[in-house]
Parts: sequence; structure tokens; C-alpha cells
Amino acid sequence: QKEVEQNSGPLSVPEGAIASLNCTYSDRGSQSFFWYRQYSGKSPELIMSIYSNGDKEDGRFTAQLNKASQYVSLLIRDSQPSDSATYLCAVNTSGGSNYKLTFGKGTLLTVNP
Amino acid sequence: NAGVTQTPKFQVLKTGQSMTLQCAQDMNHNSMYWYRQDPGMGLRLIYYSASEGTTDKGEVPNGYNVSRLNKREFSLRLESAAPSQTSVYFCASTRGIAGELFFGEGSRLTVL
Repeated sequence: QKEVEQNSGPLSVPEGAIASLNCTYSDRGSQSFFWYRQYSGKSPELIMSIYSNGDKEDGRFTAQLNKASQYVSLLIRDSQPSDSATYLCAVNTSGGSNYKLTFGKGTLLTVNP
Repeated sequence: NAGVTQTPKFQVLKTGQSMTLQCAQDMNHNSMYWYRQDPGMGLRLIYYSASEGTTDKGEVPNGYNVSRLNKREFSLRLESAAPSQTSVYFCASTRGIAGELFFGEGSRLTVL
């Protein structure tokens, strides 16, 4: 069973702080990694994808990947109350079909004004 | 541009009733997916269609059937609904290999 683990939270940070969201995965051969944001009562939306080791920055968001440690993280700089949501880590595992994603259960982030 | 459209958005069924959730995408995507989301369980894949004419089981396919009607449409059928199928159902699509999914707004199903 290929697993994707996230801390369920809630993670609470003050406005303007850096929020750090973490994810580990069990399949060492996994190739691609994604972060989705889901507001309460809404559908998930893709915010970051990362395919190689290192950092990838997009605005206030930075995704970090360390395949040796089987670890992927999402940093949100200058957090805003509008960033309050559940963040889902998703991994495209190497075994079997390339068409399936495995999602973590998500981390609830609350940004306090 | 509508993206991924799901119908109905809300449905209440009695145990044993059947129903079909409809999904259509207008992005010319090849692959389509049905997920269910339950509190504490995250998103779980029910069925997917890698391309028109193909369907495959996901993590939790029991009690469901699917039809990839054409490139745009992918339906999910519950033949005999059970209370355990009470959930929020999401349809999603992507152009190619899974990862960058576009989700519909979701369908909230309650089975009494």
C-alpha cells in the first residue's frame, strides 16, 4: 500500500508568518508531487507541482522536494487569512498506472489576523 | 469556460435506490477521474479513465460502475446505494499523466 502522510493539524500561524506544511511518502520510486489547496466546502485546486529535488518557487509559495528522504514540503511566506484552507499533498507513484494519484489526508491551516 | 461540470450537486437517496452522477469537461482532456472524500479519509480514487474507451478501478471501486461516454463525459453509477456511500464525490480531469487535475465542484450524496 503506497502511502502519503501529512500532519492533520490544525496548523495555526499569525498573519505575515511563514507556514510550513510537510508530507512524506512511502514509494521510493515516486516521480511527481503536487500540492492542492481546498477551501471549506469547495473542490481542490492545484497550487504547486514539483518533479525534481530542490526548491520551486511561485510567488509566496515554495515547494521543496527531497527524494532521498521521501519528503516534500510547502512553504507559504507572508501568510494571509485567505490562505486558511486544507492543503493536500498528492503523489504520482511509480508502480502500476501513471494515471493514479495518491492523496494525503490533508493539513488544515489557519492564518490568524 | 466551464471546466469540469458535475450534476447533481446534491442528492438524497434511500438505501437500495440507484442513481448516476454525471460529469463533463470542456478542456479536451484525455483522462477523467471519480474521487470520493470523507472526513478523516482524504480523497480516494473510485475509478478512472485514462483515455476515451478505457476505464480502470481505483482504490475503492466496490458498489460503483462507470461509463466513459465520449471524450467529454464520464459518469458514475450507484446501482444499489448504501449508507456507506454517503460522501462528497468529485470528478476531475487532466490532459495526460495524472497530477495536474482540474476538479468539478463536487456532488454531495446522502444515503438514508
